[in-house]
Amino acid sequence: EAQVTQNPRYLITVTGKKLTVTCSQNMNHEYMSWYRQDPGLGLRQIYYSMNVEVTDKGDVPEGYKVSRKEKRNFPLILESPSPNQTSLYFCASRGAYEQYFGPGTRLTVT
Amino acid sequence: RKEVEQDPGPFNVPEGATVAFNCTYSNSASQSFFWYRQDCRKEPKLLMSVYSSGNEDGRFTAQLNRASQYISLLIRDSKLSDSATYLCVVGESASGGSYIPTFGRGTSLIVHP
Repeated sequence: EAQVTQNPRYLITVTGKKLTVTCSQNMNHEYMSWYRQDPGLGLRQIYYSMNVEVTDKGDVPEGYKVSRKEKRNFPLILESPSPNQTSLYFCASRGAYEQYFGPGTRLTVT
Repeated sequence: RKEVEQDPGPFNVPEGATVAFNCTYSNSASQSFFWYRQDCRKEPKLLMSVYSSGNEDGRFTAQLNRASQYISLLIRDSKLSDSATYLCVVGESASGGSYIPTFGRGTSLIVHP
């Protein structure tokens, strides 16, 4: 089954404690991306990757890092999380046209 | 800065009604257009692509107007299960024949009995 998986699905953490949200896809897609979704602001792109070892900033990259060492994985790293990074995060991968989204990670930073 | 604008709604309609949403985009060079559906607290899923000639899928019809830079989604005979947020996505061409998508903030539809 074609899918994008994210872990963890829910996370409550404290300010400054480094965390990583994993993302994996099994469709051999080259393009992957991370979004955050906040009420009234819609989906905003954090980072995207056109292929292995190629990453670019999206609209809201501050406070985030990513890496793309293998085609299937695209982890999102928060080196020092802050409360304004409390959000719903989606990873996505894209084939020719359609984007497939992971189920989302709900992050709360206290 | 590329912009994709949608009326947030909510559009509150009775079952069986016809409802239409528009989405405007600022970049005239945009090449790819889509409508996604997102249920509450769930991931977005592709509803349909939007072609220059327009396309129809059952009760759903999507149109593209390049001259006025907007796309539309028409839903006929609304069902309770159509209640969701509808996201407009516009893609700008990138290297290698790919595209970079920009999402609108979504239009909320509520279909009531």
